[in-house]
Amino acid sequence: AQKITQTQPGMFVQEKEAVTLDCTYDTSDQSYGLFWYKQPSSGEMIFLIYQGSYDEQNATEGRYSLNFQKARKSANLVISASQLGDSAMYFCAMRAFTGNQFYFGTGTSLTVIP
Amino acid sequence: DVKVTQSSRYLVKRTGEKVFLECVQDMDHENMFWYRQDPGLGLRLIYFSYDVKMKEKGDIPEGYSVSREKKERFSLILESASTNQTSMYLCASSYPGEGPNTEAFFGQGTRLTVV
Repeated sequence: AQKITQTQPGMFVQEKEAVTLDCTYDTSDQSYGLFWYKQPSSGEMIFLIYQGSYDEQNATEGRYSLNFQKARKSANLVISASQLGDSAMYFCAMRAFTGNQFYFGTGTSLTVIP
Repeated sequence: DVKVTQSSRYLVKRTGEKVFLECVQDMDHENMFWYRQDPGLGLRLIYFSYDVKMKEKGDIPEGYSVSREKKERFSLILESASTNQTSMYLCASSYPGEGPNTEAFFGQGTRLTVV
């Protein structure tokens, strides 16, 4: 079974600063995808960024980047130049490509301080 | 614009009632999922389906069943609602396979309260 660990229940960051949200995963599969989602207080789940296990470069999407360290099984999300609208819950997820299930971490609540 | 639509945003049901949560996607995705979200526990998979009439149990299937008669529709059924099933329920769909564009798309969620 896969396991996703997010060790930071809550984080604070000053507006315009960068923040790193931690995610580690445990899997015996060699081929998998890693995903980050944002959930604002309104409740919808917004897909942010994807990293494949065989991708050699870290994924980037605008202000979001994924710091992927395969040997350490970590997939940290970096948000640069934080904005007030970044305040939300953030979930890390993984899907092994041998199966269909997405496994989610328990989430990190990010608060951006003006 | 891709869409996953859940039939209700908020529901209040009585203990012992049979409850139906409906989910429809318009992306022709093979995979569909039902998750339950509780504070501090993240998203936990109840059931998923990889094809019409096919289903597999997730991590917490007890007290739930599902139905997928058409590709676009996946229903979650609480056979006899109990107060410990008060939660946020999220439906999602995705393509199978590998690579990008396999992310899960989520509905807006149904907040169910069982009294």
